[in-house]
Amino acid sequence: AQTVTQSQPEMSVQEAETVTLSCTYDTSESDYYLFWYKQPPSRQMILVIRQEAYKQQNATENRFSVNFQKAAKSFSLKISDSQLGDAAMYFCAYKLRSGTYKYIFGTGTRLKVLA
Amino acid sequence: GAGVSQSPSNKVTEKGKDVELRCDPISGHTALYWYRQSLGQGLEFLIYFQGNSAPDKSGLPSDRFSAERTGGSVSTLTIQRTQQEDSAVYLCASSLVVTYNEQFFGPGTRLTVL
Repeated sequence: AQTVTQSQPEMSVQEAETVTLSCTYDTSESDYYLFWYKQPPSRQMILVIRQEAYKQQNATENRFSVNFQKAAKSFSLKISDSQLGDAAMYFCAYKLRSGTYKYIFGTGTRLKVLA
Repeated sequence: GAGVSQSPSNKVTEKGKDVELRCDPISGHTALYWYRQSLGQGLEFLIYFQGNSAPDKSGLPSDRFSAERTGGSVSTLTIQRTQQEDSAVYLCASSLVVTYNEQFFGPGTRLTVL
């Protein structure tokens, strides 16, 4: 069965600095999607970034980028120039490209941004 | 609509009572998902709808849980004879089609069972 592990329950970063959140996953499949979602105190989950496993190039979205290591089954999120508004829970998620509708989520990392 | 809406935002109930949680997806989204988020845990998949049908209900934790969707739009998650372990945030998400991979989430309903 597929699993997603986020080993950092909580992380802190100074405003304007860079932080990396870790995510590892376990799957025997080769074609899948990986996601990072942000959940601020409002509870509204927001998609931050998405990576397709067949693409070798790491996805980037403005200050957010990923380091996708398919062989190592690792999918870390880097946040550059951290802002106070980045403070939230961050969830890593996995979904097979086809054949299932289920998303598998990790337990989340709480990110604190220090002024 | 502008986004996925859920009601109520908070619900406090007594053990043994039934509760109904409502989700109103983005207009035109055919796929709808329910998740449960317990304190300190990730999101637990409960059920999804494609249109009005729910092909797989195996994520529902017990037969006290049921869900329906009418008119391809609003969905209701019902929990009968609530237990304290049902206390959690229940999140709903919708997407254009089930194979399209971006889900849009609602703000959730926080359920507290006393």
